[in-house]
Amino acid sequence: QVQLQESGPGLVKPSETLTLTCTVSGGSISSYYWSWIRQTPGKGLEWIGYIYYSGITNYNPSLKSRVTISIDTSKNQFSLKLISVTAADTAVYYCARGRSGTFYIADYWGQGSLVTVSS
Amino acid sequence: DIQMTQSPSTLSASVGDRVTITCRASQTISIWLAWYQQKPGKAPKLLIYEASSLESGVPSRFSGSGSGTEFTLTISSLQPDDFATYYCQQSNSYSTFGQGTKVEIK
Repeated sequence: QVQLQESGPGLVKPSETLTLTCTVSGGSISSYYWSWIRQTPGKGLEWIGYIYYSGITNYNPSLKSRVTISIDTSKNQFSLKLISVTAADTAVYYCARGRSGTFYIADYWGQGSLVTVSS
Repeated sequence: DIQMTQSPSTLSASVGDRVTITCRASQTISIWLAWYQQKPGKAPKLLIYEASSLESGVPSRFSGSGSGTEFTLTISSLQPDDFATYYCQQSNSYSTFGQGTKVEIK
């Protein structure tokens, strides 16, 4: 059974960089697309971006200038970096696996990681 | 951006009821629509993909239909475990989600 687990700081200061890592267990990170999705009470669910195991990425145009997603296949991990954060970036951040052959349809999710942006 | 609009926002129903949730896209998305169920404090769970394909392990009381701009999720006989919030997601152009429909106990 594939499992995903987010890790990283729960509190980030305004203007700093948010960094989260997702560790995949129970299966290989190869041959799938891996996404970051966030959820806020105000904006709901928002797709941030995905990365393929080969390193190909695609980002939400509204966040593209601030987002980088990277992958480490040797560790079965992928990561999210979001720069210049503001209070509007406070959210529960999920990592997820794209269903076989798809970019965006998430069939396995992490439990979610609450990140608060505050000084 | 393709906007996804769900209706209703909240739905009150009883166990055994037939429940229908609608999702409308601001432009045509063919069949590139998925439905998820989310319970408080948990991640969303995939129910339906490509508008009408049932994800493995999902009970057959869940079904999806539609194409183009209008889609529906139907629960044929609501069960206690089905009280949750449901989201649609388009994947025709990047990905965007609906705002959610909360199914609550009547």
